[in-house]
Amino acid sequence: DTEVTQTPKHLVMGMTNKKSLKCEQHMGHRAMYWYKQKAKKPPELMFVYSYEKLSINESVPSRFSPECPNSSLLNLHLHALQPEDSALYLCASSQARGFSYEQYFGPGTRLTVT
Amino acid sequence: EDQVTQSPEALRLQEGESSSLNCSYTVSGLRGLFWYRQDPGKGPEFLFTLYSAGEEKEKERLKATLTKKESFLHITAPKPEDSATYLCASFAEGYQKVTFGTGTKLQVIP
Repeated sequence: DTEVTQTPKHLVMGMTNKKSLKCEQHMGHRAMYWYKQKAKKPPELMFVYSYEKLSINESVPSRFSPECPNSSLLNLHLHALQPEDSALYLCASSQARGFSYEQYFGPGTRLTVT
Repeated sequence: EDQVTQSPEALRLQEGESSSLNCSYTVSGLRGLFWYRQDPGKGPEFLFTLYSAGEEKEKERLKATLTKKESFLHITAPKPEDSATYLCASFAEGYQKVTFGTGTKLQVIP
């Protein structure tokens, strides 16, 4: 099973709202990722968790706050977003150690900030 | 700075017309390349990992190859369902930080 699930599929939020995106995988992967993807652009790395610890933060604004409560779950907490934050948010997972490092992506959450 | 460049940006093929997509890279400490397929509004779907020059991998109508400077994704006798954006991505030391190319949007016309 190579499935990564994300909820919700779509989210519309105002600039003063607080919301969370959720991601889950059951492949035993110990590395999990958040990416942002704008239309007609490649995915852009935001955060990486390795063994439930934040290992990479690509200088993402503090209005995005990641959390990894356990090895299967990854959250992205959103607060006071801007319209330019509207995008497809993708979660991915991979092995953190070993030989194969391919990342498996979820279907994404389409976020619209109004 | 690491760079991954894909060409062409868009490609339109007739069904059955074989072609190749190119991914060229300048990556310090390259460990390998991924190829992904992405349908509109969906997450990328993993296709291949290539680790060393000379390596080839195949899956149905797709074959990926790797040289020291570039990778090719060959599509043999494509079908309309092969229409998608194809992304290559390099990974280097540490493995977790990948650099994506801008993709090639493939359209296969029946």
